[in-house]
Amino acid sequence: DGGITQSPKYLFRKEGQNVTLSCEQNLNHDAMYWYRQDPGQGLRLIYYSQIVNDFQKGDIAEGYSVSREKKESFPLTVTSAQKNPTAFYLCASTHRQGRNTGELFFGEGSRLTVL
Amino acid sequence: AQSVSQHNHHVILSEAASLELGCNYSYGGTVNLFWYVQYPGQHLQLLLKYFSGDPLVKGIKGFEAEFIKSKFSFNLRKPSVQWSDTAEYFCAVKAVENAGNMLTFGGGTRLMVKP
Repeated sequence: DGGITQSPKYLFRKEGQNVTLSCEQNLNHDAMYWYRQDPGQGLRLIYYSQIVNDFQKGDIAEGYSVSREKKESFPLTVTSAQKNPTAFYLCASTHRQGRNTGELFFGEGSRLTVL
Repeated sequence: AQSVSQHNHHVILSEAASLELGCNYSYGGTVNLFWYVQYPGQHLQLLLKYFSGDPLVKGIKGFEAEFIKSKFSFNLRKPSVQWSDTAEYFCAVKAVENAGNMLTFGGGTRLMVKP
């Protein structure tokens, strides 16, 4: 089955530690995205990548970093600089080109709790 | 930059009641519009989408939405809800000129359907 796999589903971290969330897709999608979901705020874009070895900041990139070394993989690192990292993180992907695109396919999410 | 407002944060209905969830966006250009649904414990999935043409679009599970350009709205409707419709619903907009396919999401509406 094609899809997006995020791991781990649940993660606890102490303050001051970096943590990396994994996102892998086998949909052959070009573009990948990281969103953060907080209650009442919907989904906010952290980073996105349209092609391998290239990525762009989203609306709330501060305190996060990403890499895109392979088409299938787009890991997100939550650094100690992120002031409020406890959240639900969603990875998504889509085909890149075309005016009438934009349908995103989502993973099941990773819930990060900072203790 | 575009923004999306969902005015109802929590909605409680009895089974068989009619549903309308509001969604307004702010962007002067051409847009693609989406409704996503997140059932408890499941990943976000697409409910319906509007790209062009007939402003009344039908999605899965009996949902429909109407794009009213003059009102910058894309309200979601269902004539008769079921207990299984209990979920969180997100409206999203993509500016067609946006080559990155980034979606801007509203804050979400939690729907609870009482049996």
